[in-house]
Amino acid sequence: GAGVSQTPSNKVTEKGKYVELRCDPISGHTALYWYRQSLGQGPEFLIYFQGTGAADDSGLPNDRFFAVRPEGSVSTLKIQRTERGDSAVYLCASSSDSGFGYTFGSGTRLTVV
Amino acid sequence: SQQGEEDPQALSIQEGENATMNCSYKTSINNLQWYRQNSGRGLVHLILIRSNEREKHSGRLRVTLDTSKKSSSLLITASRAADTASYFCATDRGSRLTFGEGTQLTVNP
Repeated sequence: GAGVSQTPSNKVTEKGKYVELRCDPISGHTALYWYRQSLGQGPEFLIYFQGTGAADDSGLPNDRFFAVRPEGSVSTLKIQRTERGDSAVYLCASSSDSGFGYTFGSGTRLTVV
Repeated sequence: SQQGEEDPQALSIQEGENATMNCSYKTSINNLQWYRQNSGRGLVHLILIRSNEREKHSGRLRVTLDTSKKSSSLLITASRAADTASYFCATDRGSRLTFGEGTQLTVNP
């Protein structure tokens, strides 16, 4: 596609529920990144995929967070047993090569009530 | 943890004036990038400057990089009301971007 697509754009869920956030990167981009942004803060790195594998998952806050990219294109960020502190905008980005700037999606605003 | 720190946190100017935002970072980098964000959603890539470059221009944007001081600045000339947004610097060390807290720029018509 022309840009990075993230769905849903907004998600409201109850505390304790499981959620999946989807990212559809630019076609042909091998690198994919997930970031989380809290209100008034800069984005914080969560995980980086190169192809199908997670090259760096050191930003995932705990084992409730997991991400996959099984075919090297679409990625899903999965959050189990959601907590109110998980409320944030989750941003996805893709790039063709490190050092050429990233293209970000519009984000998914997750609200845990 | 956030590596970049933007200064100032907020900036309010009149249309037509220039806006300067600064960014400091702590570790060595491959490149430094500036992004813009409207309404807390998607980030838009503005400009990338490599560690061996000192200055770069793109339209009304001018970016400088001083690796000895680990700092960068973004200058927007002849600002417009449409430039109102949050601006973030991000350092790239090869496998991830590390963002600062951002500068909220308000351009008053």
